[in-house]
Amino acid sequence: SQQGEEDPQALSIQEGENATMNCSYKTSINNLQWYRQNSGRGLVHLILIRSNEREKHSGRLRVTLDTSKKSSSLLITASRAADTASYFCATDTGRRALTFGSGTRLQVQP
Amino acid sequence: NAGVTQTPKFQVLKTGQSMTLQCAQDMNHEYMSWYRQDPGMGLRLIHYSVGAGITDQGEVPNGYNVSRSTTEDFPLRLLSAAPSQTSVYFCASSLGTGYQETQYFGPGTRLLVL
Repeated sequence: SQQGEEDPQALSIQEGENATMNCSYKTSINNLQWYRQNSGRGLVHLILIRSNEREKHSGRLRVTLDTSKKSSSLLITASRAADTASYFCATDTGRRALTFGSGTRLQVQP
Repeated sequence: NAGVTQTPKFQVLKTGQSMTLQCAQDMNHEYMSWYRQDPGMGLRLIHYSVGAGITDQGEVPNGYNVSRSTTEDFPLRLLSAAPSQTSVYFCASSLGTGYQETQYFGPGTRLLVL
């Protein structure tokens, strides 16, 4: 079974709205990363948050991590049509490899 | 820098055929890995390498072989292709211990096994 699971599986919003997607995981982690994948392309790293951090910002992105609940959220503010993509969380559990979730498909309507 | 490159972009195989998916990076990254992506299942790790001469199995290694003779290259070999190996394959690389750092992904190889 997947270590990380994103929720919702799909999200459709209007341009200018905020988009929030969540990631839950099962075992203790060293860090958690978020990636974006445009249709037919490879994954692009967005942000990394370590287990001792609670919140990180990067431009319009805000990531939170709650290790007690084993969950993370990715907030994209003031979304744009170009943000349309799939978003994945990936966890480092200390097994020398990242484990990816199944992703959230975000559709931003212009 | 070209980053992470993968060839071919698309390949059709018949069941039982073998082939090698190529992956190269020009960033002097020690850590390289191969994932497969199937619809609705996210990415699953096939094999990874923490440096030249060192490889290890991931979550779904059966039917695949890898080698790492140089820092730059990490080819993935399908020994006898099966329809279940129809997927999109991504190669990734990163600095240092790799899994704790940003992963840089290639554009992917779409494989269809008939």
